[in-house]
Amino acid sequence: AQSVTQLDSHVSVSEGTPVLLRCNYSSSYSPSLFWYVQHPNKGLQLLLKYTSAATLVKGINGFEAEFKKSETSFHLTKPSAHMSDAAEYFCVVNHAGGTGYGKLTFGQGTILTVHP
Amino acid sequence: KAGVTQTPRYLIKTRGQQVTLSCSPISGHRSVSWYQQTPGQGLQFLFEYFSETQRNKGNFPGRFSGRQFSNSRSEMNVSTLELGDSALYLCASSLTGDLTARGAFFGQGTRLTVV
Repeated sequence: AQSVTQLDSHVSVSEGTPVLLRCNYSSSYSPSLFWYVQHPNKGLQLLLKYTSAATLVKGINGFEAEFKKSETSFHLTKPSAHMSDAAEYFCVVNHAGGTGYGKLTFGQGTILTVHP
Repeated sequence: KAGVTQTPRYLIKTRGQQVTLSCSPISGHRSVSWYQQTPGQGLQFLFEYFSETQRNKGNFPGRFSGRQFSNSRSEMNVSTLELGDSALYLCASSLTGDLTARGAFFGQGTRLTVV
């Protein structure tokens, strides 16, 4: 079975400081991993994806994530937070084919608060 | 290119009623998935349709059903509504349902409130 665990339900940072949102995954074989963001009353937007091509993945809006198989982690980082980054972030896993068709498994989410 | 469109955006229904939600995928996308988002359970997969066939299903009771039309538009139906069905229902589309390369694209959701 596949699952993801987001280690922090809330993260609070000051504008201009680094962001770290932590995610561990559990999977029987190589997963595809994603980070999505959800702003209030909005749908989900794809930030970045890992699909085994490179372990360091760059996404939109300055975010990046590093896939570490030995630690089963896929943490999301950004060097400098902006006020507009305040949102809920989801770590997500998918497996190809069969029961993976169209199915994303979500972590519980991390709410990021950015203070001026 | 238009994104994923869900209608209506908001619904208020009474316990015991039924409701139908609609989703139009991105043009050319043939796979549509549905998710339920609640504060307690988070985001949970309901089912996926491809070429008018349900190909994948989550762990929800039979009151939750769906269908897909030949133009790839999809509807989701919930019968005999319960208070616990109050949630944000999200639709996601992809080209084939193989999400490994590109993930899925989400609509803004339908907020269902059951009173």
